[in-house]
Amino acid sequence: SQQGEEDPQALSIQEGENATMNCSYKTSINNLQWYRQNSGRGLVHLILIRSNEREKHSGRLRVTLDTSKKSSSLLITASRAADTASYFCATKHGSSSNTGKLIFGQGTTLQVKP
Amino acid sequence: EAGVAQSPRYKIIEKRQSVAFWCNPISGHATLYWYQQILGQGPKLLIQFQNNGVVDDSQLPKDRFSAERLKGVDSTLKIQPAKLEDSAVYLCASSPWTGEEAEAFFGQGTRLTVV
Repeated sequence: SQQGEEDPQALSIQEGENATMNCSYKTSINNLQWYRQNSGRGLVHLILIRSNEREKHSGRLRVTLDTSKKSSSLLITASRAADTASYFCATKHGSSSNTGKLIFGQGTTLQVKP
Repeated sequence: EAGVAQSPRYKIIEKRQSVAFWCNPISGHATLYWYQQILGQGPKLLIQFQNNGVVDDSQLPKDRFSAERLKGVDSTLKIQPAKLEDSAVYLCASSPWTGEEAEAFFGQGTRLTVV
């Protein structure tokens, strides 16, 4: 069964605005990762946050993790039309961060209008 | 470095036929995943290998799906017999064994249509 639930399911914004998408999960994790999927393409890793971290930045991306609430958020600042894609959170479970299962949520579809 | 290679890119078969997908992970990557992604949904983990051993196959419909990873490198996923609901994109991904948390690198996927 899928682990994560994301909201919103779909988001439409204007270029230059910020986009925030949320992810909730059910069981304890080793880390949480965000991936992007452009139409008709494979998934590309964006950022990883460990279970003992609360916030992480990478370029225009900011990820937060609240393990007490079992939730994470991805913020994309100053969005561009090229950011139009589906975004998935994925949680790593198991006794080892290398052998644990990588479980994906249902995703948020982001449309950035030029 | 070369990415994860999958073939074929597209496959159309009739229900009850069999089909096989092939994946060549990034060289040296110990972990290999197969996911099923139905249109509009997130990827669903079917099976995970660590080298040539199975780490998790709890979501693999074993009455019709099988997978193997010979010599801990290439992998094949087979469906026999296929059902209409198997129509999906089948994604292969690999991760290195680094001792640190590692991202998964995905192939382009195989789009299967069962008619």
